[in-house]
Amino acid sequence: DGGITQSPKYLFRKEGQNVTLSCEQNLNHDAMYWYRQDPGQGLRLIYYSQIVNDFQKGDIAEGYSVSREKKESFPLTVTSAQKNPTAFYLCASSIHIAGLTYEQYFGPGTRLTVT
Amino acid sequence: GENVEQHPSTLSVQEGDSAVIKCTYSDSASNYFPWYKQELGKRPQLIIDIRSNVGEKKDQRIAVTLNKTAKHFSLHITETQPEDSAVYFCAANLGGTSYGKLTFGQGTILTVHP
Repeated sequence: DGGITQSPKYLFRKEGQNVTLSCEQNLNHDAMYWYRQDPGQGLRLIYYSQIVNDFQKGDIAEGYSVSREKKESFPLTVTSAQKNPTAFYLCASSIHIAGLTYEQYFGPGTRLTVT
Repeated sequence: GENVEQHPSTLSVQEGDSAVIKCTYSDSASNYFPWYKQELGKRPQLIIDIRSNVGEKKDQRIAVTLNKTAKHFSLHITETQPEDSAVYFCAANLGGTSYGKLTFGQGTILTVHP
């Protein structure tokens, strides 16, 4: 599987530490997204970005931060302010053309465990 | 608030039977409805999608139907096989926005017994 990658696959951190999850894509997609997946709750949107140097909060942005300095990269930082950070994090990307919504391609995910 | 409701949460069928998963959405402006399949430990992958200008779309054993008036859409899998076992998610671009945002249902765990 190429296209969109996330690293690392598993990440362990102590409570109170910030941690940054990597997401890179070579699909030339303008839009990128971060989701959190918990059992029985589907995928919940954390942040999204339609274009370089611009991003918007999703439904559960509290305790998270992002940057979009390059088209290919959209790193997510889980801060110590996030109350329940242990989860499976998925990054996605898509074409962006105003007025239409397109298929999102997902990365393999990072499973974060905070103890 | 705006959401996507998905039912059932679990579905168990015998190989060869059909499976149907239903989703309802809250915003009539929504116009894009994808379905994703996620196998255990893997990433979600699009299996079929439909836009609001059509009522039904088929791809081999998979079909999606859309009822805009009632604001619901359904995934139909015929002649199920054990490899169809996975978690299925519906989604909708609530608000029909140009931002590409999707709101996902809670997921359906489909188990196909040989």
